[in-house]
Amino acid sequence: KNEVEQSPQNLTAQEGEFITINCSYSVGISALHWLQQHPGGGIVSLFMLSSGKKKHGRLIATINIQEKHSSLHITASHPRDSAVYICAVETSGSRLTFGEGTQLTVNP
Amino acid sequence: EAQVTQNPRYLITVTGKKLTVTCSQNMNHEYMSWYRQDPGLGLRQIYYSMNVEVTDKGDVPEGYKVSRKEKRNFPLILESPSPNQTSLYFCASSPGGLGTQYFGPGTRLLVL
Repeated sequence: KNEVEQSPQNLTAQEGEFITINCSYSVGISALHWLQQHPGGGIVSLFMLSSGKKKHGRLIATINIQEKHSSLHITASHPRDSAVYICAVETSGSRLTFGEGTQLTVNP
Repeated sequence: EAQVTQNPRYLITVTGKKLTVTCSQNMNHEYMSWYRQDPGLGLRQIYYSMNVEVTDKGDVPEGYKVSRKEKRNFPLILESPSPNQTSLYFCASSPGGLGTQYFGPGTRLLVL
């Protein structure tokens, strides 16, 4: 079993829909990162969480440390949100362990 | 502009021919790291560095070397590349201590 599990692996939505991507982990962490990877391959950091909730535009990330679970929500989804979303947990020494990613496709 | 740069962006080489992929950041970050990304396996950490002259192995260090002689640079060295090192490589940096990760644009390596 991987230390970081994401679900779903693939997600197709219609423009405007509310989207949730989940991440569960099995180790003690110092922080959790949500990353976005566009088809060109570049990786951008969306959020870093150690507790609670963060919001940036239409994106919301939450984390429940006790349950070892985080969610990434996208409100009013748009085709430009189509990308791979990757969850990564940060452990001691700033090491990152990654989930396999969720491929999101938003159709117009 | 704050950025992490990698060179080359694309490289085709042959088995056994030593190569170096450079990584440089202009944000004075203490922490730098190398990752490889493979289909079905996701991103995996190769090596990381907490500061100058401090490096440590990640999850898949075999066949790779790194050095951190200056804060801004963290080259990845493949002494004798093999086909199983064909992959997409990313360098990243962060301030350390729960900081945002900044990724380079990636280097696509093909070893024949």
